[in-house]
Amino acid sequence: RKEVEQDPGPFNVPEGATVAFNCTYSNSASQSFFWYRQDCRKEPKLLMSVYSSGNEDGRFTAQLNRASQYISLLIRDSKLSDSATYLCVVNLKMDSNYQLIWGAGTKLIIKP
Amino acid sequence: EADIYQTPRYLVIGTGKKITLECSQTMGHDKMYWYQQDPGMELHLIHYSYGVNSTEKGDLSSESTVSRIRTEHFPLTLESARPSHTSQYLCASSTGESTYNSPLHFGNGTRLTVT
Repeated sequence: RKEVEQDPGPFNVPEGATVAFNCTYSNSASQSFFWYRQDCRKEPKLLMSVYSSGNEDGRFTAQLNRASQYISLLIRDSKLSDSATYLCVVNLKMDSNYQLIWGAGTKLIIKP
Repeated sequence: EADIYQTPRYLVIGTGKKITLECSQTMGHDKMYWYQQDPGMELHLIHYSYGVNSTEKGDLSSESTVSRIRTEHFPLTLESARPSHTSQYLCASSTGESTYNSPLHFGNGTRLTVT
């Protein structure tokens, strides 16, 4: 079983709709969490960190559920430009260091 | 936005050749990383560095080496390229001020094909 699991999709969503997807992690020692966005054949870019209390950045909302060990990303009023792969990243403390564990990503396609 | 550069952008090379992928950043970041990513797959850590003269192996390090002689420069060397090395290689850096929560800034990658 992978340490970080995501539904690969693709999620095909009409423009203007709300879409949400989850990411589950297996290690309860995971310390911090992030969502990155990766466009086709491009490098990943940080979308947002995920805080314990949940956080919102414009149309994007991230939530953390430690009890069930998953994080979620909600996109409201989706735009064509939101089409991308969304990567879930978990920061895991191992001995005295932190290690980033990456999910394989969820592909989102916004259709006009 | 961090300035981090990778060269070459694309490389096609024959089996057995020695290659060096270049990565430089101008932000003064202490931490630098090399990742390998195949299409539709997760990133795998190859090597990382927490500062000058510091290098550590990641998950996929056995067939490559790195050096960190200067803060801004973190080259990756494959001593003998094989078709299994065909992949995208991504270099990243972070401030290192907080190991806990520092975002990574990525270069635009080197797409390597070994024939």
